[in-house]
Amino acid sequence: ELKVEQNPLFLSMQEGKNYTIYCNYSTTSDRLYWYRQDPGKSLESLFVLLSNGAVKQEGRLMASLDTKARLSTLHITAAVHDLSATYFCAVEIVGGAQKLVFGQGTRLTINP
Amino acid sequence: GAVVSQHPSRVICKSGTSVKIECRSLDFQATTMFWYRQFPKQSLMLMATSNEGSKATYEQGVEKDKFLINHASLTLSTLTVTSAHPEDSSFYICSARDALRGTGELFFGEGSRLTVL
Repeated sequence: ELKVEQNPLFLSMQEGKNYTIYCNYSTTSDRLYWYRQDPGKSLESLFVLLSNGAVKQEGRLMASLDTKARLSTLHITAAVHDLSATYFCAVEIVGGAQKLVFGQGTRLTINP
Repeated sequence: GAVVSQHPSRVICKSGTSVKIECRSLDFQATTMFWYRQFPKQSLMLMATSNEGSKATYEQGVEKDKFLINHASLTLSTLTVTSAHPEDSSFYICSARDALRGTGELFFGEGSRLTVL
């Protein structure tokens, strides 16, 4: 059974600081996704990582994937208040008809 | 970009009634759609996989007679919560993939918040 674990689950940080959210998963997977969720809203797609060593960046967010270590990271650079949200990683099950298993989510609060 | 639309976005119903939630892919065809449930401050849990023209596949622990799924066309899947009870109150989110796109990115609907009184 595929398990996906995020760390930390809660993160409070100041504007301007850098931080990293970690996503570990237990079995081989083809794809890893990062999503953002604002309170009361659905998911917003941030990144799709398809191969070992993949790195993608959008603004202050950068995601990477190490399939050998079964680890993905979401790095936040010079955080701003607007990035406050809950961030989820999700891993696609190999041969699992495109099913996703989600991590617990990381609730990020960025203080001015 | 590809859009997945859900309706209604919010619904309040009395205990014992049934509620139908629609999930539509607006600019692509989806042979498969997924239904997730999210309780407050928790993650998303897959409930079932909706397959166009055939029966849905339910995850372990999800009652198929309570959560009826119909995928009658390539752009529409419906989830009916039958005889709803307060413990069914949750945020229901559907997703679908445009199989013709190279990345196979999954798109999520806006979600439907169900409150059962």
